[in-house]
Amino acid sequence: EVQLVESGGGLVQPGGSLRLSCAASGFTFSTYWMHWVRQAPGKGLVWVSRINSDGSSTSYADSVKGRFTISRDNAKNTLYLQMNSLRAEDTAVYYCARDPRTSLDCWGQGTLVTVSS
Amino acid sequence: DIVMTQSPDSLAVSLGERATINCKSSQSVLYRSNNKNYLAWYQQKPGQPPKLLIYWASTRESGVPDRFSGSGSGTDFTLTISSLQAEDVAVYYCQQYYSTSPLTFGGGTKVEIK
Repeated sequence: EVQLVESGGGLVQPGGSLRLSCAASGFTFSTYWMHWVRQAPGKGLVWVSRINSDGSSTSYADSVKGRFTISRDNAKNTLYLQMNSLRAEDTAVYYCARDPRTSLDCWGQGTLVTVSS
Repeated sequence: DIVMTQSPDSLAVSLGERATINCKSSQSVLYRSNNKNYLAWYQQKPGQPPKLLIYWASTRESGVPDRFSGSGSGTDFTLTISSLQAEDVAVYYCQQYYSTSPLTFGGGTKVEIK
């Protein structure tokens, strides 16, 4: 069974940092592009970042560029999102999603990040 | 960036009736090289992650009931639920995959039972 499990969310003060993880199983992780998508409470889906299959190419939304870093460890079947200089507007559920180059066909359950003092 | 605009924001449909959701992109998402529209539809139920329903504008993901169908090309797309069931109550999003930087989603359409 294809599965993505996020972890690492929590409450952090403005200006703080968090690292999210997404553990993948049930498929050959190293062959897929991966994405992070977030959803603020009661709001819609917003793309955050993506990484190609070997980690050599990354892309970011303007709102997180320079503050967030996406990475992956294909040996550990794990995707990461390092989030620095967090702001209140980064408060959201963060989902990792698999990319078969047509869509996002598998999503994790999400991990909640709350930025508040 | 490709802007995705969905309409309506919400709709209420009687059980067994048709629901239609529209999605318009600010530029074409049709790849001429393979004649495929890089447009996907997702369903999100409360407290759950999004679920892929349709990709390439009209190809149903495996396991998705055939009452869900997608149509359109270029910049104008439609998701149709042919006979609304109670379990279809959800928010539906369109998303373009023509440009992966950034990927962009529509604002969502909430479907309820009348």
